[in-house]
Amino acid sequence: GDSVTQMEGPVTLSEEAFLTINCTYTATGYPSLFWYVQYPGEGLQLLLKATKADDKGSNKGFEATYRKETTSFHLEKGSVQVSDSAVYFCALMAGSSNTGKLIFGQGTTLQVKP
Amino acid sequence: GAGVSQSPRYKVAKRGQDVALRCDPISGHVSLFWYQQALGQGPEFLTYFQNEAQLDKSGLPSDRFFAERPEGSVSTLKIQRTQQEDSAVYLCASSAQSTGNQPQHFGDGTRLSIL
Repeated sequence: GDSVTQMEGPVTLSEEAFLTINCTYTATGYPSLFWYVQYPGEGLQLLLKATKADDKGSNKGFEATYRKETTSFHLEKGSVQVSDSAVYFCALMAGSSNTGKLIFGQGTTLQVKP
Repeated sequence: GAGVSQSPRYKVAKRGQDVALRCDPISGHVSLFWYQQALGQGPEFLTYFQNEAQLDKSGLPSDRFFAERPEGSVSTLKIQRTQQEDSAVYLCASSAQSTGNQPQHFGDGTRLSIL
């Protein structure tokens, strides 16, 4: 079945460092891909999305490119801030889905130190 | 309200008790989802409603789990005869349309602990 695999955390970086969180997926057809973020004490929030191959989603300085050839959707940010400390979830929605249910990875905790 | 509201935020129950978790979606949202998030894991799909119709319940782990949305707005997830493995955060999400292109808005979840 469809699945999402993320790099294990925690990822610990210093402020202004470059961030990459790897995400790969397995799915039939043409899924839509998402990154969600969960800040401490808060609910899941959509960070960015891409709905077809080669699309780049971007928001708040974060980017991810839908790579069908490598079945990947890695999250990147050029310069992280302490306020980016959170848990990041990669997710897919199957292209054949008529419900919109999401399949999530296990999450990657990011800790940014000043 | 402005967002998806879930209650209670925390629920502690003894094994064998029944529990009911409530979700108030964003007003007017057609689609409603329930997910279960175990500690240190990503959310896992439980069930989906389009208005009052439960169109997908493939993720419900056993017949002890039951969800309803009788008037197409508020939804309740009920767990009967709770077991320790039911301990998790239960998340509710809603989206504006019935297709998958609309973003899902999540509530803060109900953290359920079974003793």
